[in-house]
Amino acid sequence: ETGVTQSPTHLIKTRGQQVTLRCSSQSGHNTVSWYQQALGQGPQFIFQYYREEENGRGNFPPRFSGLQFPNYSSELNVNALELDDSALYLCASSRSSGNHGDTQYFGPGTRLTVL
Amino acid sequence: AQSVSQHNHHVILSEAASLELGCNYSYGGTVNLFWYVQYPGQHLQLLLKYFSGDPLVKGIKGFEAEFIKSKFSFNLRKPSVQWSDTAEYFCAVTPLGSSNTGKLIFGQGTTLQVKP
Repeated sequence: ETGVTQSPTHLIKTRGQQVTLRCSSQSGHNTVSWYQQALGQGPQFIFQYYREEENGRGNFPPRFSGLQFPNYSSELNVNALELDDSALYLCASSRSSGNHGDTQYFGPGTRLTVL
Repeated sequence: AQSVSQHNHHVILSEAASLELGCNYSYGGTVNLFWYVQYPGQHLQLLLKYFSGDPLVKGIKGFEAEFIKSKFSFNLRKPSVQWSDTAEYFCAVTPLGSSNTGKLIFGQGTTLQVKP
């Protein structure tokens, strides 16, 4: 069984640029959630996608957007990057709608540095 | 606001010592509860979870946790730690109900250092 994979592993951008992060969900999973983990903090929920639609959003501005594809893989897009966006971005997948609070399995993350 | 609080930010123990990490959450409704672990250089892994039933749950590597609903707590325990337990531990909660979406709310994390 293939686990959750994310790409790229590391990324360096400058302020104002745009970035796209990618996630492949675990086999058999149809829900993808994205989290931001700043240094020394717990992960913060950004949003969740279920069957290609946004299924909930945390306290993040609209410049954070996402997509889910028919194969359940997902993208996180961040526009107009700010220095505070520097963090580890985690993708997690689960088997059914997030309303059921199913167990989420995490990928290794993408480390984004904004200069 | 829904939140999770982990009382210990950094814990240092000697091998064979007992471990208890505190976790409290603020939400009046039904929750699913999780402990995740992040070993150095590795990604977040599920340690154990509670959905319903026996409030004492057992996870991998000899860890267990007890859900005490009246105290809104889900403390993690291990009778005898090993050097390989050195890691960061996160308590997380999923509030259930129509207005919630299955998001995980994490605590700040506890760094456990086990000395050989």
